[in-house]
Amino acid sequence: SQQGEEDPQALSIQEGENATMNCSYKTSINNLQWYRQNSGRGLVHLILIRSNEREKHSGRLRVTLDTSKKSSSLLITASRAADTASYFCATPQEDTGRRALTFGSGTRLQVQP
Amino acid sequence: DGGITQSPKYLFRKEGQNVTLSCEQNLNHDAMYWYRQDPGQGLRLIYYSQIVNDFQKGDIAEGYSVSREKKESFPLTVTSAQKNPTAFYLCASSLGPKETQYFGPGTRLLVL
Repeated sequence: SQQGEEDPQALSIQEGENATMNCSYKTSINNLQWYRQNSGRGLVHLILIRSNEREKHSGRLRVTLDTSKKSSSLLITASRAADTASYFCATPQEDTGRRALTFGSGTRLQVQP
Repeated sequence: DGGITQSPKYLFRKEGQNVTLSCEQNLNHDAMYWYRQDPGQGLRLIYYSQIVNDFQKGDIAEGYSVSREKKESFPLTVTSAQKNPTAFYLCASSLGPKETQYFGPGTRLLVL
């Protein structure tokens, strides 16, 4: 089963607007991570939020975590064309016992200049 | 410069051929991972290794093999048993299984 699922699958906005992406997961987690992938490149880690944290900021990024709803959101404020990329959430594989992360299928963000 | 590297950037495989993708890291990370990514999709775990001389199957290990003889290196072999190998392959490393992963630039494998 997919531990992390992002929503929406694709998002298109204008430069300067905010972009919100959501991630839902199924089992209890130790932490949740967000990554960014530019087309044809490797993933880059953006932010890690631990299960005892509710909100975390990093520059124009704001991540929230609601463990009661098993969901997280990533907000990018004042978006720029350079934010165009795919964004993935990842969680430790607590349900399988594997010592690895599970990645969702991602949200493809297009920021129009 | 610390980081994780993958080579080659592009790799072509003929029918029935085994090919090996290289992954090297100088981050002193114990854990390393291989993922497969198909167009427009997320990452699927092929194999992972938490320590030298030990590795575990991921979700889609069939048709692939790995070795972990050195801490810095985790090569992936795509064998002839993998019937649909065309994909983007990503290697990553981390300090521990639940921690931040650092990714290489990827290898795109194409079948001739």
